[in-house]
Amino acid sequence: KAGVTQTPRYLIKTRGQQVTLSCSPISGHRSVSWYQQTPGQGLQFLFEYFSETQRNKGNFPGRFSGRQFSNSRSEMNVSTLELGDSALYLCASSATGVGTQYFGPGTRLTVL
Amino acid sequence: GDSVTQMEGPVTLSEEAFLTINCTYTATGYPSLFWYVQYPGEGLQLLLKATKADDKGSNKGFEATYRKETTSFHLEKGSVQVSDSAVYFCALSVPGANSKLTFGKGITLSVRP
Repeated sequence: KAGVTQTPRYLIKTRGQQVTLSCSPISGHRSVSWYQQTPGQGLQFLFEYFSETQRNKGNFPGRFSGRQFSNSRSEMNVSTLELGDSALYLCASSATGVGTQYFGPGTRLTVL
Repeated sequence: GDSVTQMEGPVTLSEEAFLTINCTYTATGYPSLFWYVQYPGEGLQLLLKATKADDKGSNKGFEATYRKETTSFHLEKGSVQVSDSAVYFCALSVPGANSKLTFGKGITLSVRP
């Protein structure tokens, strides 16, 4: 099976802009989770989607949002970008949301 | 809240040395425990996991035992290789939180030839 794919791999934006990141889970997986990785805060959970419904949410401002489509692909959107949003954004998928998660390579977002 | 504490890094070892990376946790409920590894420029890969007390997870020569009495899940390897150089993350998930993983801060391991 193909692994979790994320696009784009690298992104440069300026403050105030918005950005959309995409994640395609492993075929058959219905749960997609998003994480933010920064040197200062480490890995932090953003949210999880299962069968197009947000099932769990981390402690991030409303500028961070997501959605999941009927084919389980997920997008994450960040509006009004701030310098502190510069990070590696990782997506993970699992079959049911309970059990082993498989991570994608991440999208490196740089905000200038 | 749930949390994972890893020993401070970085760690530098010579090839064939013994490795121990400490991990302790605090959790509501009965967590599952994981070790993930991140190689440079890549995402996270599951290294091993354990879902109940006294379970031992093992993979690629790495081992970790779920110790409920000490709330620990230390990672060990008897003989490290240069290719083991990476960042190692301890993580937990609790029942009812679905797929949410709570991670430790990670530790960078460098292995010298």
